[in-house]
Amino acid sequence: DTEVTQTPKHLVMGMTNKKSLKCEQHMGHRAMYWYKQKAKKPPELMFVYSYEKLSINESVPSRFSPECPNSSLLNLHLHALQPEDSALYLCASSHIPGSSYNEQFFGPGTRLTVL
Amino acid sequence: SQQGEEDPQALSIQEGENATMNCSYKTSINNLQWYRQNSGRGLVHLILIRSNEREKHSGRLRVTLDTSKKSSSLLITASRAADTASYFCATDMRFGAGTRLTVKP
Repeated sequence: DTEVTQTPKHLVMGMTNKKSLKCEQHMGHRAMYWYKQKAKKPPELMFVYSYEKLSINESVPSRFSPECPNSSLLNLHLHALQPEDSALYLCASSHIPGSSYNEQFFGPGTRLTVL
Repeated sequence: SQQGEEDPQALSIQEGENATMNCSYKTSINNLQWYRQNSGRGLVHLILIRSNEREKHSGRLRVTLDTSKKSSSLLITASRAADTASYFCATDMRFGAGTRLTVKP
């Protein structure tokens, strides 16, 4: 299984809502990532988990809260978001970050709209 | 933050022509990767070139790496309409600005 799955595909939420994005992989990868992508822009790294521990937080606002319950799952908890947070949120996984073999496998993304 | 820049930002060619995209980066690297993204969808890994490699091929793709100039290029030969997409280089988990390629049938 070489697939990264993300749910939901689309999410519309109000600024007072709490929601979660989910990501799953079964490739035995020990690094997982969250990216944010605005239209016509490249993906921006948000968080990196390495061996289920948060290793990189790219100064992301606290209204985004990542969680890695186990090596196959990655969540992104959303609370009190702003309309400018509307974007495509991409999850990725790789063998181990920083190695010469760290090809990243991406999920299809969750398109988030904040009203 | 983005690792580097890509040029051109947009490229439009006819089917059958070759497309060349360039990427520059700022810091030393273990490897450099190229990805393709069809409109608004997930990224697909195309090719990884390690810092000690100078050229790599995969099908119609040819990637070069010049670590002295901190630059890489992606060549797509005999392009097809299905190659229409955005192409990104990535180093250290961070992506360049990307090139939007349009291949006209």
